[in-house]
Amino acid sequence: NAGVTQTPKFQVLKTGQSMTLQCAQDMNHEYMSWYRQDPGMGLRLIHYSVGAGITDQGEVPNGYNVSRSTTEDFPLRLLSAAPSQTSVYFCASSYSITSTDTQYFGPGTRLTVL
Amino acid sequence: GDSVTQMEGPVTLSEEAFLTINCTYTATGYPSLFWYVQYPGEGLQLLLKATKADDKGSNKGFEATYRKETTSFHLEKGSVQVSDSAVYFCALPDTGRRALTFGSGTRLQVQP
Repeated sequence: NAGVTQTPKFQVLKTGQSMTLQCAQDMNHEYMSWYRQDPGMGLRLIHYSVGAGITDQGEVPNGYNVSRSTTEDFPLRLLSAAPSQTSVYFCASSYSITSTDTQYFGPGTRLTVL
Repeated sequence: GDSVTQMEGPVTLSEEAFLTINCTYTATGYPSLFWYVQYPGEGLQLLLKATKADDKGSNKGFEATYRKETTSFHLEKGSVQVSDSAVYFCALPDTGRRALTFGSGTRLQVQP
């Protein structure tokens, strides 16, 4: 199993550009989520999905869109990038949504918006 | 809402020193508690967890005991190695959003 994969690993954008961060998992996990990691702030939840066709907002959803057309994929879209979106982005998945379940994280995408 | 507070880093230790990273939480009831570790250039991975009060989680020489009286889940290791250098995150479930609420992370640097 490849686990959770993310592409690209690094990306530089100019303000106003759009892009999609890709996330895929091959563990048949129902639950997937996106976090951003900023210095001194831990990880904050952007969006999450409890299954194909179902998504919801997390703590910091503004400026990001998601969709979940398949169990495996959960892309994150930035429609008009802003410098405040400079961060490291992590995708995570878990088998279920119970509170004891382990979440599996991808290696991250480091995004810089100029 | 529920929250996690971790000691600020960086924590710098010599090899074979004893490690404690403090974590306290605020939550309704007795949620599961987790420690995740992030090695340089990698994503987070589960280090250990405890699913009920008074449980002890352990893995790779690390231990943490779920203490409901003090709402704490401190991470300990008796003898750290250079390879333990990483960022450590304490976390608890955000059941409303079905995700994890993380502390701010504590960077550990172990010197040879």
